Amino acid sequence: DTAVSQTPKYLVTQMGNDKSIKCEQNLGHDTMYWYKQDSKKFLKIMFSYNNKELIINETVPNRFSPKSPDKAHLNLHINSLELGDSAVYFCASSYTQWDRAYEQYFGPGTRLTVT
Amino acid sequence: DAKTTQPTSMDCAEGRAANLPCNHSTISGNEYVYWYRQIHSQGPQYIIHGLKNNETNEMASLIITEDRKSSTLILPHATLRDTAVYYCIVRVDNDMRFGAGTRLTVKP
Repeated sequence: DTAVSQTPKYLVTQMGNDKSIKCEQNLGHDTMYWYKQDSKKFLKIMFSYNNKELIINETVPNRFSPKSPDKAHLNLHINSLELGDSAVYFCASSYTQWDRAYEQYFGPGTRLTVT
Repeated sequence: DAKTTQPTSMDCAEGRAANLPCNHSTISGNEYVYWYRQIHSQGPQYIIHGLKNNETNEMASLIITEDRKSSTLILPHATLRDTAVYYCIVRVDNDMRFGAGTRLTVKP
């Protein structure tokens, strides 16, 4: 099926560990994103990658680093996990054009719990 | 920060039309109005978008006022599966800012 997929769906880990979340899209989009949804349910954009270039970088800690090996993948690496990193992380993708915004398609989310 | 204002919650009877309002009084001329929804804890789902004209697709209709300062998302025949949080977003680029949205509850 054409979609945005994420692995794992659930991730439980201890403080101080390093973890990665993977994202893949087969929609042929040229831009991918990571969003964080905290316990209060607010969705905030963290990063986006367009043609392997970081084009949005919100004020997230540098413990978070996106890695994009190709247009179809954008992985999220998190170092030295903290309790406050517990959230649901969503990957998304879209086309990009200079003069308009395109709809973004979201993955199912990865629920990260840091203990 | 989100540039839109939406009611916190709304109820709708199953089979009736659900009309969800959104105010975006500071919208600029090249910003689109987008609607997404999030069912339970799933990923947000794109519904519809528009710039100036009213739009309709298989999911919903979008009515944008002539001055573009507000819009209404219409689900013509709401079902229980339409219960979700609906987000109205104005944007011109890939920087999509979600607000708190409207929690729509469709009741039998």
